[in-house]
Amino acid sequence: QSALTQPPSASGSPGQSVTISCTGTSSDVGRYNYVSWYQQHPGKAPKLIIYEVSERPSGVPDRFSGSKSGNTASLTVSGLQAEDEADYYCNSYAGSNILFGGGTKLTVL
Amino acid sequence: EVQLVESGGGLVQPGGSLRLSCESSGLTLSGYNMNWVRQAPGKGLEWVSYIGGWSEVIYYAESVRGRFTISRDNAKNSLSLQMNSLRDEDTAVYYCARDSGRGYSCDYWGQGTLVTVSS
Repeated sequence: QSALTQPPSASGSPGQSVTISCTGTSSDVGRYNYVSWYQQHPGKAPKLIIYEVSERPSGVPDRFSGSKSGNTASLTVSGLQAEDEADYYCNSYAGSNILFGGGTKLTVL
Repeated sequence: EVQLVESGGGLVQPGGSLRLSCESSGLTLSGYNMNWVRQAPGKGLEWVSYIGGWSEVIYYAESVRGRFTISRDNAKNSLSLQMNSLRDEDTAVYYCARDSGRGYSCDYWGQGTLVTVSS
């Protein structure tokens, strides 16, 4: 099964909002509300920031939000801060299979 | 400190085998679903394998099915990945990650162990 599709890059200025898309199919993103998002800084392990499409783990700022429409999930980062500069990966359950997106490098200008 | 620690990585020739281990300190793995996820140098994350809390269900990515075997020992609070018939494209940092129990998301990750497949 193919990976989920994310834009390779995104950018925004401090204080702005940016949205990263994650497109799958009716067999994964469109079928299950099991979409997660991870943040990864260079040389570090991934960190869970969104689970079940729009839920935030304890300790994750509410500047991070998730949504889904059809086969596309989205991550929105509001009020961009310098420390948000990182790689972001979406992830979806696909019935006995788990898929990651190719990743999006977020640059804070 | 709560942490997962992977071990067993290293340099191996194509066609060779390696066994990765994941142990935890301060974190219960018993009963939690677990995953192996890998990341090739400079590339994105790739899910490798999933095992249920009591080994009742096991999934593999198509790229490793038939070559890799995931297992766990709840008594020892540990997870393993036996990798056989290794290929160049298996070169990556391998992470173990604990499933949060919420939508197949992973809330705890180790720091990874590097596997290099090269002649």
